[in-house]
Amino acid sequence: AQSVTQLDSQVPVFEEAPVELRCNYSSSVSVYLFWYVQYPNQGLQLLLKYLSGSTLVKGINGFEAEFNKSQTSFHLRKPSVHISDTAEYFCAVSNSGGSNYKLTFGKGTLLTVNP
Amino acid sequence: NAGVTQTPKFQVLKTGQSMTLQCAQDMNHEYMSWYRQDPGMGLRLIHYSVGAGITDQGEVPNGYNVSRSTTEDFPLRLLSAAPSQTSVYFCASSSTRLLTGELFFGEGSRLTVL
Repeated sequence: AQSVTQLDSQVPVFEEAPVELRCNYSSSVSVYLFWYVQYPNQGLQLLLKYLSGSTLVKGINGFEAEFNKSQTSFHLRKPSVHISDTAEYFCAVSNSGGSNYKLTFGKGTLLTVNP
Repeated sequence: NAGVTQTPKFQVLKTGQSMTLQCAQDMNHEYMSWYRQDPGMGLRLIHYSVGAGITDQGEVPNGYNVSRSTTEDFPLRLLSAAPSQTSVYFCASSSTRLLTGELFFGEGSRLTVL
């Protein structure tokens, strides 16, 4: 079975500061990795995904993430955050083979950007 | 574009009542799923479907039933509601069962069970 651990439940930062949201996963097989964002009272939207190839993936709104297989991590970064980035961020994992058609989410990290 | 449409957006039930949360997508997606979101718990998969006539259990299936008679619709049934089912429910769909693409979410249905 796969699982995801988001190491920080809340991350407060000041506007224009850099931010890193941490995600570790566990799986016995190869994985696909995702970051989703949820703005208040809305559904989730895809920020970026890692399927294969380059371990550094770029997403929307200036976010990027790096897949590190040896550390089983997929941390999300942004060099300079804006007030509008305030939202909850979810890391998710699915198995890349077989018949496991399940996307497993972490518990989320609430990013609060202060002026 | 309608995308994934969930109804109702809000519902209050009494313990023991039954109800159905509706989900429809107009993107011809083969994969559909239901999640519940609770504070501090993230999203947990209830049931999913990889095509019409095919459903399977997720992480927290107890107390919920689903069916998939058409590609477009994937209703979630609560047969006898319990306070523990108070939650926000999200329906999501994807064009591929292998989930290599984006999972498109509805806006959610907030359910309160008294």
